[in-house]
Amino acid sequence: ETGVTQSPTHLIKTRGQQVTLRCSSQSGHNTVSWYQQALGQGPQFIFQYYREEENGRGNFPPRFSGLQFPNYSSELNVNALELDDSALYLCASSFPGQFYTFGSGTRLTVV
Amino acid sequence: DQQVKQNSPSLSVQEGRISILNCDYTNSMFDYFLWYKKYPAEGPTFLISISSIKDKNEDGRFTVFLNKSAKHLSLHIVPSQPGDSAVYFCAASHTGANSKLTFGKGITLSVRP
Repeated sequence: ETGVTQSPTHLIKTRGQQVTLRCSSQSGHNTVSWYQQALGQGPQFIFQYYREEENGRGNFPPRFSGLQFPNYSSELNVNALELDDSALYLCASSFPGQFYTFGSGTRLTVV
Repeated sequence: DQQVKQNSPSLSVQEGRISILNCDYTNSMFDYFLWYKKYPAEGPTFLISISSIKDKNEDGRFTVFLNKSAKHLSLHIVPSQPGDSAVYFCAASHTGANSKLTFGKGITLSVRP
């Protein structure tokens, strides 16, 4: 049973650019969520997808958007990057009603 | 507005002794609470959870206690082992284990051999 895998593990972007982060859910999991973890903080909920539909959103601006594909993999897109977007981005997947399994995250640095 | 608070940033415990990690919350709508453990360069790993209809849940060396009137929960690890050294996050939700989770800032536990 494979876990949640995220790519890339690290990347550096320039302010104003756009970035796409990718996540492969654990086998069979149809719910995926994305979290942002800034340095010294706990993870903050960005949004959740269930069967390709957005199913809940946290307090993040519209330049944070996502997709879930039929195979339940997912993307997080961030437009017009700002310095404060520098963080660890965590993807988590689950079955409905079950606890999340998290990936190891993508470390994004915006310069 | 921190709805889940872990006020102690770190805790150091001798191997074999009890570790008690505390967590407070402000949102009375929360009805499900979880603890996640995180090692460096890894994602958080689910440890133990408790529903608001219970006041205690035990799994091996790990026990979580919930005091709803005080809006307080604690994680007890006994006996503590060096491999337990990690960051522990308290998280809460109001619609179940895999809905939006609100996390605390985490506590760094160090277990000294």
